Amino acid sequence: GAVVSQHPSRVICKSGTSVKIECRSLDFQATTMFWYRQFPKKSLMLMATSNEGSKATYEQGVEKDKFLINHASLTLSTLTVTSAHPEDSSFYICSASLAGLSRKLFFGSGTQLSVL
Amino acid sequence: GENVEQHPSTLSVQEGDSAVIKCTYSDSASNYFPWYKQELGKRPQLIIDIRSNVGEKKDQRIAVTLNKTAKHFSLHITETQPEDSAVYFCAASPPNDYKLSFGAGTTVTVRA
Repeated sequence: GAVVSQHPSRVICKSGTSVKIECRSLDFQATTMFWYRQFPKKSLMLMATSNEGSKATYEQGVEKDKFLINHASLTLSTLTVTSAHPEDSSFYICSASLAGLSRKLFFGSGTQLSVL
Repeated sequence: GENVEQHPSTLSVQEGDSAVIKCTYSDSASNYFPWYKQELGKRPQLIIDIRSNVGEKKDQRIAVTLNKTAKHFSLHITETQPEDSAVYFCAASPPNDYKLSFGAGTTVTVRA
């Protein structure tokens, strides 16, 4: 199956710093990637849809200036949590769509962010 | 937008028994329904999916059924094994859209 790589897997940072998370589709081109946030024992909450070469589409309630998304190429999307605060601590996970009729989504391995 | 509800939230079964998870969706236009399995700290893995033009799909011990009229779909796991223990998520997607709306998840525990 298609492989989606996500880095880093875990990051601990001080409050006020910015953290960048990378999501790469390794063996396919992904025109669309999605970023989710997941709290412990909770479901996946869609934060934004990342479209290659255009601005991301954010879900209601998600601050676009807080969570900067860049999709500069067909294989890379980045999520930057700016001026992180403890309430931003969460598991962030990306997914990429395998274009065409399959409509399957493949997920990255996730990033556990802890803001002190 | 789409709203997906999933039940039960937790499910404990004896090894060898069957497990059933049920989901309902609100948008009658949704036509793609995948199921994901997520082990603790790991990425969700697609285990089976079904489209609205099919009523049932089976893959070894896993099967999914879809009732478009009632707008609900179910995951059936037969002959459960300890390695089936995980959180399972259902999801729904409208036509021509890769965006998925997820259910709240079901924590399945298979007792040896």
